[in-house]
Amino acid sequence: NAGVMQNPRHLVRRRGQEARLRCSPMKGHSHVYWYRQLPEEGLKFMVYLQKENIIDESGMPKERFSAEFPKEGPSILRIQQVVRGDSAAYFCASSRSTTEVGEQFFGPGTRLTVL
Amino acid sequence: KQEVTQIPAALSVPEGENLVLNCSFTDSAIYNLQWFRQDPGKGLTSLLLIQSSQREQTSGRLNASLDKSSGRSTLYIAASQPGDSATYLCAVKGISSGSARQLTFGSGTQLTVLP
Repeated sequence: NAGVMQNPRHLVRRRGQEARLRCSPMKGHSHVYWYRQLPEEGLKFMVYLQKENIIDESGMPKERFSAEFPKEGPSILRIQQVVRGDSAAYFCASSRSTTEVGEQFFGPGTRLTVL
Repeated sequence: KQEVTQIPAALSVPEGENLVLNCSFTDSAIYNLQWFRQDPGKGLTSLLLIQSSQREQTSGRLNASLDKSSGRSTLYIAASQPGDSATYLCAVKGISSGSARQLTFGSGTQLTVLP
């Protein structure tokens, strides 16, 4: 029973390029959450998605960032025209439950470095 | 807006000591509180989850308590070992509108257990 999978684990981009981060939730989980951990800071919520729907994107930067969770395939966090300040660890979590008490399980993260 | 604070930011103890990590949160309207462990460059491992109706949870040498009314939680680690060295994160899932799905994290306590 594989856990939450994220790839790539490490990603290096030059300023202005695009970054695509992938997250495959645990089997049977249809709720996906993305969090960002900036250097020396705590994890901050970015976006919550269900299949084909963005439910809460209150933590997403207004520009350059987008997320999707298609009917088939992994959830994608896309960062266009990356800047050095985007360098961070990006974590994905998934949950099974539709109730608020459901536990979130985290993936290993993708560490993005922008040169 | 929910804020989560963890004290101390860093802690160093000799092997075998019992220790307590503290977590406080500003909004007591929560569904649950979760303690995680994060090793350097790695993802998050869930240690204990306490539902709002519970007072404590235990797993092996770990015991977490929750006092929702005062907005506090403690993580007690008995007979610490060098392998316990990691950053410990506290996170709450709030009830308030807009935060029902996301976790709000503290900045963590970096624990070092000296052999």
